[in-house]
Amino acid sequence: DAGITQSPRHKVTETGTPVTLRCHQTENHRYMYWYRQDPGHGLRLIHYSYGVKDTDKGEVSDGYSVSRSKTEDFLLTLESATSSQTSVYFCAISGVAANVLTFGAGSRLTVL
Amino acid sequence: DAKTTQPTSMDCAEGRAANLPCNHSTISGNEYVYWYRQIHSQGPQYIIHGLKNNETNEMASLIITEDRKSSTLILPHATLRDTAVYYCIVRVRDTDKLIFGTGTRLQVFP
Repeated sequence: DAGITQSPRHKVTETGTPVTLRCHQTENHRYMYWYRQDPGHGLRLIHYSYGVKDTDKGEVSDGYSVSRSKTEDFLLTLESATSSQTSVYFCAISGVAANVLTFGAGSRLTVL
Repeated sequence: DAKTTQPTSMDCAEGRAANLPCNHSTISGNEYVYWYRQIHSQGPQYIIHGLKNNETNEMASLIITEDRKSSTLILPHATLRDTAVYYCIVRVRDTDKLIFGTGTRLQVFP
């Protein structure tokens, strides 16, 4: 997927456990985004980053934190996973603020 | 932030043009219209974007009305592989965010 990979692709975890999803890019793009997708809600923006150590909240940021210590990696952390966070998570990158995003293949998270 | 309204679903015969409408009546003067699509459970794919003028690329054409309150994405010769959810998005002004709605589910039939 054009130099963007997500890991893990699938994860099953239990309520209350911490979870970290990783987005890795080889495009040296400045902007990185985390979205979640649920039936009936389409794609919703969780957090995004506009540079190393520069992040901001999206529409549904409660219960999530992010970190970007280097250009190529953007981490999404669920400090204490809940069943409502069961979803498919997509990472996206953009080279300039023209909002032409390239998406990763997605990470399916199930919280039991 | 301008909101968009799209039909929930549409059908199109293979080989025919698919015309997907989008209403964005509150769009501001410097906001662009973007179209993405998502095939099955894959990540969304960028199609096209525009500001005022009509745009065309190898995938589709974008027609924006003169008052910019609505637009139409045209797939000139739809194929079965064009079956997907199509998102019309207006770029949030002065930020780097792109907010998706629920889109139009296009079903292309033989």
